[in-house]
Amino acid sequence: GAGVSQSPRYKVAKRGQDVALRCDPISGHVSLFWYQQALGQGPEFLTYFQNEAQLDKSGLPSDRFFAERPEGSVSTLKIQRTQQEDSAVYLCASSELQAVNTEAFFGQGTRLTVV
Amino acid sequence: DAKTTQPTSMDCAEGRAANLPCNHSTISGNEYVYWYRQIHSQGPQYIIHGLKNNETNEMASLIITEDRKSSTLILPHATLRDTAVYYCIVRVWGGDMRFGAGTRLTVKP
Repeated sequence: GAGVSQSPRYKVAKRGQDVALRCDPISGHVSLFWYQQALGQGPEFLTYFQNEAQLDKSGLPSDRFFAERPEGSVSTLKIQRTQQEDSAVYLCASSELQAVNTEAFFGQGTRLTVV
Repeated sequence: DAKTTQPTSMDCAEGRAANLPCNHSTISGNEYVYWYRQIHSQGPQYIIHGLKNNETNEMASLIITEDRKSSTLILPHATLRDTAVYYCIVRVWGGDMRFGAGTRLTVKP
């Protein structure tokens, strides 16, 4: 596709429900990033993939958060037993290579509301 | 990771240059300075990046001090559509991008 696509755009979950957020990166992009953005805050790093390898997951806030990219393209961020503090916009970004001088392209995000 | 410091907010008159400062005093020699902006309800958008030389593209100019401890993003003729949060990021070699709180720029008519 022309850009990074995320689905769904909006998700309302009941507290305790599991959710799965999808990211379709730009075709051929090796690097994929997930961020969490709370209202009024900057994006907070969650995790990073290079192809199918999850190289950094230091930003995942708890073991309820899990991300995968099994074939090195589409990625899924899963949140188990959602809690109200998980309400945020979840952003995905991709870039061509894990090289410093490349730009990352962001999707429009998935807004998760836990009620 | 080197951290960045930016003013919380700035105003700019439409048509005037917007100069957004960023401090990154602990930047390492192989780290680049990136600027992104985020317009309300959208994902961040890449603006420009540089290592040590000044850079210019169709969107903006990036001025990096000789000691690389600070930089300034310049929007030469700000428009109302430039109202956004602007993030200055130092990218670690082989690592990821870490955003701070950014500067909320408001362009006023």
